[in-house]
Amino acid sequence: DSGVTQTPKHLITATGQRVTLRCSPRSGDLSVYWYQQSLDQGLQFLIHYYNGEERAKGNILERFSAQQFPDLHSELNLSSLELGDSALYFCASSVGFNTGELFFGEGSRLTVL
Amino acid sequence: GENVEQHPSTLSVQEGDSAVIKCTYSDSASNYFPWYKQELGKRPQLIIDIRSNVGEKKDQRIAVTLNKTAKHFSLHITETQPEDSAVYFCAAANANSGAGSYQLTFGKGTKLSVIP
Repeated sequence: DSGVTQTPKHLITATGQRVTLRCSPRSGDLSVYWYQQSLDQGLQFLIHYYNGEERAKGNILERFSAQQFPDLHSELNLSSLELGDSALYFCASSVGFNTGELFFGEGSRLTVL
Repeated sequence: GENVEQHPSTLSVQEGDSAVIKCTYSDSASNYFPWYKQELGKRPQLIIDIRSNVGEKKDQRIAVTLNKTAKHFSLHITETQPEDSAVYFCAAANANSGAGSYQLTFGKGTKLSVIP
């Protein structure tokens, strides 16, 4: 157990819908990262938050947004869902913002039908 | 931005043989190179990492080598066992105290199968 909690574990929804994925980092970790894992694309970096502040954006679509709350949990919002958004979404946390091991959660598997 | 290429995409070895996975990176500012192992249906987990001031690092049956000049690094697993079967990801990052963020750029992964 990495100490990073993600909910829900599985989610099935329809095209055009909106979903929210939630992540609680390890106790004491201030950084939260979101990654998307598709079958042929490996782990794609989406966004990084540190202590409530956005620090870096990767290949995140405009239909996607995220935030980190004062209690350090984070939410990833995916809207106007398309079939191609089906993937495993991982949250990871780390202590700092510029180094160190990432501890991954178990992931949220999103299926868009 | 950083680009990490990883080869091969699949690798099958007999139990007891060695396995080697190679990665190249593009950004000369990258100085931290971790390897993550992802078992089927599980989360990625760090198995070993190396920083740019070191050329090689070993941890029991696992070793990583780094060639900064050529911008490539490799994972070596000796005496492979069935439980080594998993997808392995290399990654690169600029872990710099002056940087405002730290993002790992991952390779696309190598599926390693160890045949008993």
